[in-house]
Amino acid sequence: QQPVQSPQAVILREGEDAVINCSSSKALYSVHWYRQKHGEAPVFLMILLKGGEQKGHEKISASFNEKKQQSSLYLTASQLSYSGTYFCGTEISPFSGTYKYIFGTGTRLKVLA
Amino acid sequence: SAVISQKPSRDICQRGTSLTIQCQVDSQVTMMFWYRQQPGQSLTLIATANQGSEATYESGFVIDKFPISRPNLTFSTLTVSNMSPEDSSIYLCSVAEGWEQYFGPGTRLTVT
Repeated sequence: QQPVQSPQAVILREGEDAVINCSSSKALYSVHWYRQKHGEAPVFLMILLKGGEQKGHEKISASFNEKKQQSSLYLTASQLSYSGTYFCGTEISPFSGTYKYIFGTGTRLKVLA
Repeated sequence: SAVISQKPSRDICQRGTSLTIQCQVDSQVTMMFWYRQQPGQSLTLIATANQGSEATYESGFVIDKFPISRPNLTFSTLTVSNMSPEDSSIYLCSVAEGWEQYFGPGTRLTVT
């Protein structure tokens, strides 16, 4: 039931791009993306809603394919501050706004200078 | 954005005892959540705590083991009862504001 993220881990050089995928076996109603640095709380990055609407406050983009039950997070021109573990959170209820999420398996990303 | 604090930040407890974790938010919020995260692992939702109603527990979590209180719109507690080493984990509270969800810093619990 837990969404599967790929890759499990990735190492980049500053300025390189990365894509993190989140795949669910169940229907997706909305998808959240979070970044968690070691020893810190997860930080909200973005939400993607059915119909393609996105809401986020960082220079990171994402896509949401309802049919394929997948979401992807695009990190372009990566910076050292992008290092951390990325989680997708998929809403487990068809009633959007319940905020009950199943979190994905996680992707560890490290950006090197 | 909501600012969330948790107490204690960490604790080491003996098997069979209970620990109450406090979560304080700097603004009034309707929906609060409790999660568990094993080190290096993903987050698992324990329960949803809305003010004025009983907490709603996810599969695998029961009220006798994880009683939750939500006395007002800025505060909640999670108790981990009759602890065993399997309860060693990081416990996080979170709140929803609009489309965003904010997490507290977590409580690192070690059960010996």
